Amino acid sequence: NAGVTQTPKFQVLKTGQSMTLQCAQDMNHNSMYWYRQDPGMGLRLIYYSASEGTTDKGEVPNGYNVSRLNKREFSLRLESAAPSQTSVYFCASRESTGDRGYGYTFGSGTRLTVV
Amino acid sequence: QQQVKQSPQSLIVQKGGISIINCAYENTAFDYFPWYQQFPGKGPALLIAIRPDVSEKKEGRFTISFNKSAKQFSLHIMDSQPGDSATYFCAASNKGSSNTGKLIFGQGTTLQVKP
Repeated sequence: NAGVTQTPKFQVLKTGQSMTLQCAQDMNHNSMYWYRQDPGMGLRLIYYSASEGTTDKGEVPNGYNVSRLNKREFSLRLESAAPSQTSVYFCASRESTGDRGYGYTFGSGTRLTVV
Repeated sequence: QQQVKQSPQSLIVQKGGISIINCAYENTAFDYFPWYQQFPGKGPALLIAIRPDVSEKKEGRFTISFNKSAKQFSLHIMDSQPGDSATYFCAASNKGSSNTGKLIFGQGTTLQVKP
């Protein structure tokens, strides 16, 4: 099925550990995004990649790094996990034409707990 | 100026009733206002969207009302059904010069429709 695939779906980390969240889309979208979702705070943009080869910081980039490996893949890395990074992480990609020109397609999320 | 404020945080409606969720924004450069629906354990999915050149858009039981002068927009769900029980997010985007397509999300509203 076409869409955005995120791995892993669940992860528990100890404080200070590192990990990479993977995201891949097969819709030939140019733009990709990483958001985190926390109760009462909606979805906050961590990093985004407007096109292959470019990445930019969003609203809450501290503690994260990203890599746009190719047009399909956009990964998010936590170098030294902290309990404040316990969250649900969503990757999304964007259409670029038509009335739904800004419509995002989201993955199903990664539920990360840092203990 | 980049914020989108959403209310209420939670909403309980009887089956067949009308659900209304409101959002307000400050940035007059926003030019795209989508609503996303999220079921538990899933990523958000685009529900309906509007641009500021129209005051209302209807798709089935879902209607967006847009008030440009008040900088407010709302989602109305007519004849609400238990299957509509989900979390709803409003969002806004500023095409701008970079055309990054970044979406700023509201805080979310959890809707429960009682049978």
